[in-house]
Amino acid sequence: GAVVSQHPSWVICKSGTSVKIECRSLDFQATTMFWYRQFPKQSLMLMATSNEGSKATYEQGVEKDKFLINHASLTLSTLTVTSAHPEDSSFYICSAMDRGPETYGYTFGSGTRLTVV
Amino acid sequence: LAKTTQPISMDSYEGQEVNITCSHNNIATNDYITWYQQFPSQGPRFIIQGYKTKVTNEVASLFIPADRKSSTLSLPRVSLSDTAVYYCLVGDMVARGFKTIFGAGTRLFVKA
Repeated sequence: GAVVSQHPSWVICKSGTSVKIECRSLDFQATTMFWYRQFPKQSLMLMATSNEGSKATYEQGVEKDKFLINHASLTLSTLTVTSAHPEDSSFYICSAMDRGPETYGYTFGSGTRLTVV
Repeated sequence: LAKTTQPISMDSYEGQEVNITCSHNNIATNDYITWYQQFPSQGPRFIIQGYKTKVTNEVASLFIPADRKSSTLSLPRVSLSDTAVYYCLVGDMVARGFKTIFGAGTRLFVKA
Protein backbone atom coordinates (compact mmCIF):
# COMPACT_ATOMS: atom_id res chain seq x y z
CA GLY A 1 0.00 0.00 0.00
CA ALA A 2 0.85 3.67 -0.01
CA VAL A 3 3.70 4.71 2.28
CA VAL A 4 4.50 8.13 3.68
CA SER A 5 7.92 8.65 5.20
CA GLN A 6 8.44 11.42 7.72
CA HIS A 7 11.85 12.57 8.88
CA PRO A 8 13.21 13.07 11.45
CA SER A 9 11.23 10.99 13.90
CA TRP A 10 12.39 13.19 16.74
CA VAL A 11 14.40 16.37 17.09
CA ILE A 12 15.58 18.56 19.92
CA CYS A 13 16.49 22.14 19.15
CA LYS A 14 17.40 25.27 21.01
CA SER A 15 14.94 28.09 21.40
CA GLY A 16 15.23 30.57 18.55
CA THR A 17 16.49 28.11 15.96
CA SER A 18 14.60 26.66 13.00
CA VAL A 19 13.73 23.05 12.35
CA LYS A 20 12.75 21.39 9.09
CA ILE A 21 10.54 18.31 8.92
CA GLU A 22 10.23 16.32 5.70
CA CYS A 23 7.27 14.33 4.48
CA ARG A 24 7.74 12.04 1.49
CA SER A 25 5.32 9.87 -0.40
CA LEU A 26 7.41 6.84 -1.31
CA ASP A 27 5.38 4.95 -3.89
CA PHE A 28 2.84 7.43 -5.15
CA GLN A 29 2.56 11.04 -6.15
CA ALA A 30 0.84 13.34 -3.72
CA THR A 31 -0.59 16.57 -5.06
CA THR A 32 -1.94 17.38 -1.63
CA MET A 33 -0.40 16.85 1.76
CA PHE A 34 -1.59 17.89 5.19
CA TRP A 35 0.28 18.90 8.31
CA TYR A 36 -1.02 18.33 11.82
CA ARG A 37 0.19 18.92 15.32
CA GLN A 38 -0.82 16.89 18.30
CA PHE A 39 -0.37 17.68 21.96
CA PRO A 40 -0.33 14.93 24.60
CA LYS A 41 -3.69 13.25 25.14
CA GLN A 42 -5.29 15.40 22.46
CA SER A 43 -6.51 14.80 18.95
CA LEU A 44 -4.73 15.82 15.78
CA MET A 45 -5.17 19.46 14.85
CA LEU A 46 -4.95 20.33 11.19
CA MET A 47 -2.41 23.11 10.62
CA ALA A 48 -2.28 23.50 6.87
CA THR A 49 -2.90 21.99 3.48
CA SER A 50 0.15 21.72 1.29
CA ASN A 51 -0.47 21.86 -2.47
CA GLU A 52 2.21 20.93 -4.96
CA GLY A 53 3.39 23.95 -6.91
CA SER A 54 1.32 26.49 -5.03
CA LYS A 55 1.11 28.19 -1.67
CA ALA A 56 -0.07 26.28 1.33
CA THR A 57 -3.43 26.97 2.87
CA TYR A 58 -3.29 27.54 6.60
CA GLU A 59 -6.00 26.90 9.12
CA GLN A 60 -7.27 29.78 11.20
CA GLY A 61 -4.93 30.63 14.02
CA VAL A 62 -1.84 29.04 12.46
CA GLU A 63 0.94 31.51 11.74
CA LYS A 64 2.12 31.03 8.18
CA ASP A 65 5.35 32.93 8.81
CA LYS A 66 6.23 30.66 11.69
CA PHE A 67 5.29 27.37 10.05
CA LEU A 68 6.71 27.53 6.55
CA ILE A 69 5.45 24.87 4.19
CA ASN A 70 7.03 24.01 0.86
CA HIS A 71 5.62 21.42 -1.53
CA ALA A 72 8.10 21.64 -4.38
CA SER A 73 7.55 18.19 -5.88
CA LEU A 74 4.87 15.54 -6.11
CA THR A 75 6.61 13.45 -3.47
CA LEU A 76 7.93 15.92 -0.94
CA SER A 77 6.49 18.49 1.41
CA THR A 78 8.48 20.20 4.13
CA LEU A 79 7.42 22.00 7.28
CA THR A 80 9.89 24.44 8.79
CA VAL A 81 9.26 25.69 12.28
CA THR A 82 11.02 29.03 12.38
CA SER A 83 12.38 30.66 15.54
CA ALA A 84 11.11 27.77 17.59
CA HIS A 85 10.05 28.28 21.18
CA PRO A 86 9.21 25.79 23.91
CA GLU A 87 5.49 26.18 23.22
CA ASP A 88 6.13 24.80 19.73
CA SER A 89 7.15 21.51 21.27
CA SER A 90 4.65 18.99 19.96
CA PHE A 91 4.14 15.94 17.79
CA TYR A 92 3.91 16.88 14.12
CA ILE A 93 2.31 14.53 11.62
CA CYS A 94 1.87 14.73 7.88
CA SER A 95 -0.52 12.91 5.60
CA ALA A 96 -0.69 12.58 1.87
CA MET A 97 -3.54 12.18 -0.55
CA ASP A 98 -2.95 10.09 -3.63
CA ARG A 99 -3.34 11.74 -6.99
CA GLY A 100 -6.45 9.90 -8.05
CA PRO A 101 -9.61 9.03 -6.16
CA GLU A 102 -9.22 5.82 -4.16
CA THR A 103 -11.19 4.03 -1.55
CA TYR A 104 -8.91 5.45 1.07
CA GLY A 105 -7.03 8.53 0.03
CA TYR A 106 -4.97 9.39 3.08
CA THR A 107 -1.82 7.84 4.41
CA PHE A 108 -0.08 9.26 7.46
CA GLY A 109 3.55 9.62 8.29
CA SER A 110 4.95 8.24 11.53
CA GLY A 111 5.23 11.68 13.09
CA THR A 112 8.02 13.93 14.37
CA ARG A 113 8.46 14.67 18.04
CA LEU A 114 9.82 18.21 18.36
CA THR A 115 11.25 19.36 21.66
CA VAL A 116 12.40 22.94 21.97
CA VAL A 117 14.69 23.66 24.91
CA LEU B 1 -17.52 18.70 6.88
CA ALA B 2 -19.64 16.31 8.86
CA LYS B 3 -19.03 16.53 12.60
CA THR B 4 -18.50 13.26 14.39
CA THR B 5 -19.23 12.24 17.96
CA GLN B 6 -17.64 9.24 19.64
CA PRO B 7 -17.37 8.02 23.22
CA ILE B 8 -14.28 9.47 24.83
CA SER B 9 -13.08 6.15 26.23
CA MET B 10 -13.90 2.47 26.47
CA ASP B 11 -12.51 -0.40 28.47
CA SER B 12 -12.50 -4.04 27.44
CA TYR B 13 -10.85 -7.34 28.23
CA GLU B 14 -8.74 -9.51 26.02
CA GLY B 15 -10.76 -11.81 23.78
CA GLN B 16 -13.89 -9.68 23.84
CA GLU B 17 -15.54 -8.04 20.88
CA VAL B 18 -15.46 -4.26 21.00
CA ASN B 19 -17.93 -2.02 19.23
CA ILE B 20 -17.26 1.69 18.93
CA THR B 21 -20.08 3.82 17.58
CA CYS B 22 -19.67 7.12 15.84
CA SER B 23 -22.50 9.59 15.24
CA HIS B 24 -22.44 11.76 12.12
CA ASN B 25 -25.92 13.20 11.75
CA ASN B 26 -25.09 15.65 8.97
CA ILE B 27 -23.26 13.24 6.70
CA ALA B 28 -23.47 14.25 3.05
CA THR B 29 -24.33 12.09 0.07
CA ASN B 30 -20.74 11.85 -1.18
CA ASP B 31 -19.20 11.26 2.23
CA TYR B 32 -17.40 8.06 3.14
CA ILE B 33 -16.79 6.87 6.68
CA THR B 34 -13.23 6.00 7.57
CA TRP B 35 -11.73 4.72 10.79
CA TYR B 36 -8.15 5.17 11.89
CA GLN B 37 -6.15 3.73 14.76
CA GLN B 38 -3.40 5.64 16.51
CA PHE B 39 -0.83 4.37 18.95
CA PRO B 40 1.15 6.79 21.14
CA SER B 41 3.84 8.68 19.26
CA GLN B 42 2.78 7.25 15.90
CA GLY B 43 0.75 8.53 13.00
CA PRO B 44 -2.81 7.29 12.49
CA ARG B 45 -3.19 4.04 10.62
CA PHE B 46 -6.10 3.20 8.32
CA ILE B 47 -8.40 0.47 9.61
CA ILE B 48 -11.48 0.37 7.42
CA GLN B 49 -13.69 2.47 5.21
CA GLY B 50 -17.26 2.18 4.04
CA TYR B 51 -20.14 3.99 2.44
CA LYS B 52 -23.16 1.92 3.42
CA THR B 53 -24.23 -1.44 4.86
CA LYS B 54 -21.38 -3.62 6.08
CA VAL B 55 -17.72 -3.79 5.25
CA THR B 56 -15.32 -6.39 6.61
CA ASN B 57 -11.59 -6.80 6.31
CA GLU B 58 -8.98 -8.85 8.08
CA VAL B 59 -8.93 -6.66 11.18
CA ALA B 60 -12.40 -5.16 11.63
CA SER B 61 -15.95 -4.78 10.47
CA LEU B 62 -17.83 -1.58 9.84
CA PHE B 63 -21.59 -1.44 10.17
CA ILE B 64 -23.46 1.46 8.61
CA PRO B 65 -27.26 1.69 8.91
CA ALA B 66 -29.43 2.76 6.01
CA ASP B 67 -29.68 6.39 7.13
CA ARG B 68 -25.86 6.56 7.47
CA LYS B 69 -26.15 8.90 10.45
CA SER B 70 -23.98 6.63 12.51
CA SER B 71 -21.48 3.84 12.08
CA THR B 72 -20.05 1.14 14.30
CA LEU B 73 -16.52 -0.17 14.22
CA SER B 74 -16.36 -3.75 15.44
CA LEU B 75 -13.08 -5.26 16.61
CA PRO B 76 -13.36 -9.02 17.12
CA ARG B 77 -11.47 -10.64 20.00
CA VAL B 78 -9.33 -7.70 21.02
CA SER B 79 -5.88 -8.14 22.45
CA LEU B 80 -3.68 -5.92 24.62
CA SER B 81 -2.08 -4.55 21.45
CA ASP B 82 -5.41 -3.08 20.37
CA THR B 83 -5.12 -0.48 23.14
CA ALA B 84 -5.09 2.73 21.13
CA VAL B 85 -7.14 5.74 20.11
CA TYR B 86 -9.69 5.17 17.36
CA TYR B 87 -10.88 8.00 15.16
CA CYS B 88 -13.96 8.13 12.97
CA LEU B 89 -13.69 10.49 10.00
CA VAL B 90 -16.44 11.43 7.59
CA GLY B 91 -15.86 13.19 4.33
CA ASP B 92 -15.84 13.18 0.59
CA MET B 93 -12.72 11.17 -0.17
CA VAL B 94 -13.14 11.71 -3.87
CA ALA B 95 -13.02 15.49 -3.71
CA ARG B 96 -9.61 17.01 -4.10
CA GLY B 97 -8.50 19.00 -1.14
CA PHE B 98 -10.81 17.25 1.25
CA LYS B 99 -9.51 18.06 4.69
CA THR B 100 -9.31 15.37 7.30
CA ILE B 101 -10.62 16.97 10.46
CA PHE B 102 -10.18 14.74 13.46
CA GLY B 103 -12.63 14.57 16.30
CA ALA B 104 -11.64 13.66 19.83
CA GLY B 105 -11.48 9.94 19.11
CA THR B 106 -12.19 7.00 21.41
CA ARG B 107 -9.46 5.81 23.73
CA LEU B 108 -9.75 2.03 23.98
CA PHE B 109 -8.02 0.32 26.85
CA VAL B 110 -7.80 -3.45 26.71
CA LYS B 111 -7.10 -5.21 29.97
CA ALA B 112 -5.73 -8.67 30.58
